[in-house]
Amino acid sequence: IAGITQAPTSQILAAGRRMTLRCTQDMRHNAMYWYRQDLGLGLRLIHYSNTAGTTGKGEVPDGYSVSRANTDDFPLTLASAVPSQTSVYFCASSRTSGDYNEQFFGPGTRLTVL
Amino acid sequence: GQNIDQPTEMTATEGAIVQINCTYQTSGFNGLFWYQQHAGEAPTFLSYNVLDGLEEKGRFSSFLSRSKGYSYLLLKELQMKDSASYLCAVEADDYKLSFGAGTTVTVRA
Repeated sequence: IAGITQAPTSQILAAGRRMTLRCTQDMRHNAMYWYRQDLGLGLRLIHYSNTAGTTGKGEVPDGYSVSRANTDDFPLTLASAVPSQTSVYFCASSRTSGDYNEQFFGPGTRLTVL
Repeated sequence: GQNIDQPTEMTATEGAIVQINCTYQTSGFNGLFWYQQHAGEAPTFLSYNVLDGLEEKGRFSSFLSRSKGYSYLLLKELQMKDSASYLCAVEADDYKLSFGAGTTVTVRA
């Protein structure tokens, strides 16, 4: 693995189904993030984790949950998908030390909820 | 909440210069980032400003005025591959970024 990966690349899901989006990084970054990107709205933070074992809510957390059992993985779960969760989801990671902490983004997951 | 504004679209000719403005009103400020995002791809880091002034990186420069809540990204000697969305983001709270909606730049031959 080089950098940050996400799976699946795309998914079509029936409303009401449960879905977990996977995210793995191999850069040993402390912080990880989940965003959704919708046309005209830009990237909006769903949940974040500043270090393994801790998580926090972002701007649009409702309907989503996360866990951070270790440094590398940060899965995002939709417990019961709704059509408004149709979006492109990006996972990102960053250091938490140094002059600045740029975020590195995964390739994204395109999710369609019908 | 955080408020970050940038123009929706800009068009320019190959070889020209384009300036993308970003204004922000946020609860805190730890720095401002610019990202580039090509269609269907992930955002990639371009620049970071935390002090007032101009940061130059090859054909791209970024400027910040903290007192005015204002930044711009300057793209010089435009190339076709510069056609992309440019995202302004503010770190208002530790490690977390708030993004503007992005500016789509189209470079014409």
